Amino acid sequence: DIQMTQSPSSLSASVGDRVTITCRASQGISNSLAWYQQKPGKAPKLLLYAASRLESGVPSRFSGSGSGTDYTLTISSLQPEDFATYYCQQYYSTPLLTFGGGTKVEIK
Amino acid sequence: QVQLVESGGGVVQPGGSLRLSCAASGFTFSSYGMHWVRQAPGKGLEWVAFIRYDGSNKYYADSVKGRFTISRDNSKNTLYLQMNSLRAEDTAVYYCAKDRVDRGYDSYFDYWGQGTLVTVSS
Repeated sequence: DIQMTQSPSSLSASVGDRVTITCRASQGISNSLAWYQQKPGKAPKLLLYAASRLESGVPSRFSGSGSGTDYTLTISSLQPEDFATYYCQQYYSTPLLTFGGGTKVEIK
Repeated sequence: QVQLVESGGGVVQPGGSLRLSCAASGFTFSSYGMHWVRQAPGKGLEWVAFIRYDGSNKYYADSVKGRFTISRDNSKNTLYLQMNSLRAEDTAVYYCAKDRVDRGYDSYFDYWGQGTLVTVSS
C-alpha cells in the first residue's frame, strides 16, 4: 500500500500569508495526486488533481507542484474562507486509494 | 446539478449490520465509478470501497474486506454499502463520492454526498 504523509498536521497563519502544505508518498506516484479542502461538518471539496491542475471554480491563489514522491499545496495569499483542513490523496494505485492525514489551517 | 444523498446511517450494536444507500442525480450515474469514503469522529479520511461504472469490479480497503459489500443499481441511480460484523472502529461518517472522470482509470472525486453517521456501540 502507498502511504501518504502530510506535514505539518496543523499550522497557524494570518490573512494574506503564503501557506505551503507538503505531502510525501511512500513511493513515486507520477503526479497522481489530488488535494481537497474540508470545512467542519462538510464534505471535502476537490481543489487540484494531477498534482497541479486546478479544478474548475477554484480560486487561482491555490496551486500545486511536485514530482516523484514529494508534492506541495500552496495558498498564495490566505483568505478568511481558506481556514479549513486540507487533505492530499494519491490515485496512482487506483482503485486502492489513500489520503494523507490532513493539515488544519487555523487563524493566528 | 449533481446531487449525492446518503441514507441508512444510525446506531448499531457490535456485530450488527447496516445498509447505506446513496441516491445520485444530475449526471449519468451508469458512466461513473463510485466510492465510499469514511471519516471517524475528529479523524482523517479513509477510502473504503470502489465499484466500477458497470458494477463489473469491486475493491475494498483491507480494514473492511470480507465484512462490507459495495453494490449499485444503475436503473435506480443508487449506490449501496452493506456493512456486516460491525465493530466500534467502524464508527464514522460515511460519504459516497463520484469519480471525476467517466469510465476513467484514475479515481479522484469531484462530488461528495453530505455523509451519513454510523455509530457502532452497545
